[in-house]
Amino acid sequence: NAGVTQTPKFRILKIGQSMTLQCTQDMNHNYMYWYRQDPGMGLKLIYYSVGAGITDKGEVPNGYNVSRSTTEDFPLRLELAAPSQTSVYFCASSPVSDTQYFGPGTRLTVL
Amino acid sequence: AQSVTQLGSHVSVSEGALVLLRCNYSSSVPPYLFWYVQYPNQGLQLLLKYTSAATLVKGINGFEAEFKKSETSFHLTKPSAHMSDAAEYFCAVSDFGGTSYGKLTFGQGTILTVHP
Repeated sequence: NAGVTQTPKFRILKIGQSMTLQCTQDMNHNYMYWYRQDPGMGLKLIYYSVGAGITDKGEVPNGYNVSRSTTEDFPLRLELAAPSQTSVYFCASSPVSDTQYFGPGTRLTVL
Repeated sequence: AQSVTQLGSHVSVSEGALVLLRCNYSSSVPPYLFWYVQYPNQGLQLLLKYTSAATLVKGINGFEAEFKKSETSFHLTKPSAHMSDAAEYFCAVSDFGGTSYGKLTFGQGTILTVHP
């Protein structure tokens, strides 16, 4: 079982570029989440989804977009990258009302 | 709204010493509480969770935590630290009710250093 996988592992973007962070889970979980982690700040929720076609904003959604066309995939789109989006991004999934399982993360630098 | 405060961004102990990582939470509804561990350059791994059953929760790697409602605390302990325990630890809260959809609110993290 692969669990939650994220690609790419690392990426450097120039200001104003766009990219999509990929997240896939093979556990048939309904709930999926995107967090960003900044040093000394813990993890902040960007977006979440409770099923295919259903997404909602978290605490820090500005500058990001998501879609959920299948149960397995939950990509995060960055439009017009800014230095403030330099962070480590984690995707997680969970069965309804249970533990979240995290992917290995994507380290993004915007220069 | 929920919040989590982890007291101490860095904790240093000697190998074999007691580990105590402090977590206080705020929640308007009965909480579910979690401790996650993050090793360098890795994702988060669940250590243990409290979901309104026993107040003393045992987790992996010899860790345990006690839910104290009167103190709104969920401190993490381990009787004897091992070098392999060196990592960053996160406390998190969720209510798993209503429209929360299992969303977690994290503390800022505590980096545990273990000295030989």
